[in-house]
Amino acid sequence: DTGVSQNPRHKITKRGQNVTFRCDPISEHNRLYWYRQTLGQGPEFLTYFQNEAQLEKSRLLSDRFSAERPKGSFSTLEIQRTEQGDSAMYLCASLSGQNTEAFFGQGTRLTVV
Amino acid sequence: ELKVEQNPLFLSMQEGKNYTIYCNYSTTSDRLYWYRQDPGKSLESLFVLLSNGAVKQEGRLMASLDTKARLSTLHITAAVHDLSATYFCAVDTRLFAGTASKLTFGTGTRLQVTL
Repeated sequence: DTGVSQNPRHKITKRGQNVTFRCDPISEHNRLYWYRQTLGQGPEFLTYFQNEAQLEKSRLLSDRFSAERPKGSFSTLEIQRTEQGDSAMYLCASLSGQNTEAFFGQGTRLTVV
Repeated sequence: ELKVEQNPLFLSMQEGKNYTIYCNYSTTSDRLYWYRQDPGKSLESLFVLLSNGAVKQEGRLMASLDTKARLSTLHITAAVHDLSATYFCAVDTRLFAGTASKLTFGTGTRLQVTL
């Protein structure tokens, strides 16, 4: 499979727990984005990596959120002390430096109960 | 702050009819994307428009970009039920020199094609 892969696809967690999501981009893509999408809304930008460097973070990304891309390949997004408002679909997208088109993964749907 | 507005937000149309979805944005950009999203699914890329006057067509869908008017349109010709989905436009922006470009999405247009 040569597409963007995200795991898990679904996550249900209790409020206050920590969760971690993983994104495996297309192998030659050095640019990676995380987005969050709530029901009935368009995706909102969270953060951006070029290789292993996190170059931009949205104001939406509170202190409870942290993202890493340690070797410039896969990326993780961790949410600490989850809140009900964190319930959303978390989308990862990747593209190469020369590419103009972003390819999105299937997303991880988080439900905080 | 960049705003990307789509209208209509919801569109119910009969099979065989034509209609246009509009996407207005508030800042300079020469790249615009259209995506399709089925319920519970991720985003499927439809079109990438890279310059003023760009027009692309795929099947019953045609997209255009007018960067001077900051407007893109997605035209649906002779709609069929399989086109039922939510359609998003997304504007590629680089707000400051040296920052990464990123996509800012509209709120989406939910299209329902009825038999």
